[in-house]
Amino acid sequence: AQSVTQPDIHITVSEGASLELRCNYSYGATPYLFWYVQSPGQGLQLLLKYFSGDTLVQGIKGFEAEFKRSQSSFNLRKPSVHWSDAAEYFCAVYDQTGANNLFFGTGTRLTVIP
Amino acid sequence: DAGVIQSPRHEVTEMGQEVTLRCKPISGHDYLFWYRQTMMRGLELLIYFNNNVPIDDSGMPEDRFSAKMPNASFSTLKIQPSEPRDSAVYFCASSPAGELYFGPGTRLTVT
Repeated sequence: AQSVTQPDIHITVSEGASLELRCNYSYGATPYLFWYVQSPGQGLQLLLKYFSGDTLVQGIKGFEAEFKRSQSSFNLRKPSVHWSDAAEYFCAVYDQTGANNLFFGTGTRLTVIP
Repeated sequence: DAGVIQSPRHEVTEMGQEVTLRCKPISGHDYLFWYRQTMMRGLELLIYFNNNVPIDDSGMPEDRFSAKMPNASFSTLKIQPSEPRDSAVYFCASSPAGELYFGPGTRLTVT
């Protein structure tokens, strides 16, 4: 069965520092993977997605993620964090068995300090 | 496109009352999802539709919850009777297949 694990519940980084949020998935075939961001009081916004091809995926707001099949990971990165990046980040894997559903991780809350 | 539209944005009601949440998906999207988000349980899929037909409602917590999609541009999630433990943010999302596009959510408080 598909599942997504985000091992870090809460991460704090200084503004301008680099960021990496971890995501591990469990899926038998080639997964379709997503990262979403949720600002306080807002809905979830798609940051980026991986379906196939280049394993390094660029997204909005300067984010990127790298698909590593050998590690079953899809970590989200940003070279320099801005205060406005403080939010909750969700990794998700698409159910390709016909259900057209996304399985979400439990989320990582990012705090940015000056 | 205005994106997924949900109403109301906030709802406060008393226990026992009926609550109806509304959603207008993005035009052309064949899939519509209802999620619930709480601090304790995170994001939970309640039900989803494909071409207005309910496909999987296994996430609907109880018979008090019901969802309809009478046409491609409108869906409702109804709770009757409501209980304090139903307090949560309810999200509607639509999809052409693959990524989901979320609405801003309805924050429900049942007192």
